[in-house]
Amino acid sequence: NAGVTQTPKFQVLKTGQSMTLQCAQDMNHEYMSWYRQDPGMGLRLIHYSVGAGITDQGEVPNGYNVSRSTTEDFPLRLLSAAPSQTSVYFCASRSPGQGLYEQYFGPGTRLTVT
Amino acid sequence: GQQVMQIPQYQHVQEGEDFTTYCNSSTTLSNIQWYKQRPGGHPVFLIQLVKSGEVKKQKRLTFQFGEAKKNSSLHITATQTTDVGTYFCAYSGAGSYQLTFGKGTKLSVIP
Repeated sequence: NAGVTQTPKFQVLKTGQSMTLQCAQDMNHEYMSWYRQDPGMGLRLIHYSVGAGITDQGEVPNGYNVSRSTTEDFPLRLLSAAPSQTSVYFCASRSPGQGLYEQYFGPGTRLTVT
Repeated sequence: GQQVMQIPQYQHVQEGEDFTTYCNSSTTLSNIQWYKQRPGGHPVFLIQLVKSGEVKKQKRLTFQFGEAKKNSSLHITATQTTDVGTYFCAYSGAGSYQLTFGKGTKLSVIP
């Protein structure tokens, strides 16, 4: 199993550009989520999904869109990139259940917006 | 909303010294998880605690969940350079799918 994979690993965008961060998992996990990590701020939840066709907002959803058309994939879209979105983005997945199972993280995407 | 305070934010120790990080909540937690993130890496699950007063050990690591389920700690005995990284606690509210993370404790080990 590859686990959770993310592409790209690094990305530089100009203000106003849009892009999609890709995330895929091969563990048949129903729950997937996106976090951003900034220095001193820990991991903050952007969006999450409890299954195909179901998504919901986390703590910091503004400026981001998600969709979940398959169990395996959970892309994160930046609609119009801003410097405040410079961060490291982690995708994660886990087995179904409410908070009782370990979460697996992808390697992260390091995004810089200039 | 429910939040946890993780302390200290940073800790520098001499190799061989012990290390402890604490996760404190103002409200009762249904469960707590601990993760380790190496520099430049991604968070990796260490353990989950569910029961009041629970204590679990993994080699030199000891995890505790308080009797009131409002606090938790991670203790490392005789730190090694391989212990370097940031340790996060995380919790989910009762009936919630969301996992909320503390801000982490960054551990540096001086050889």
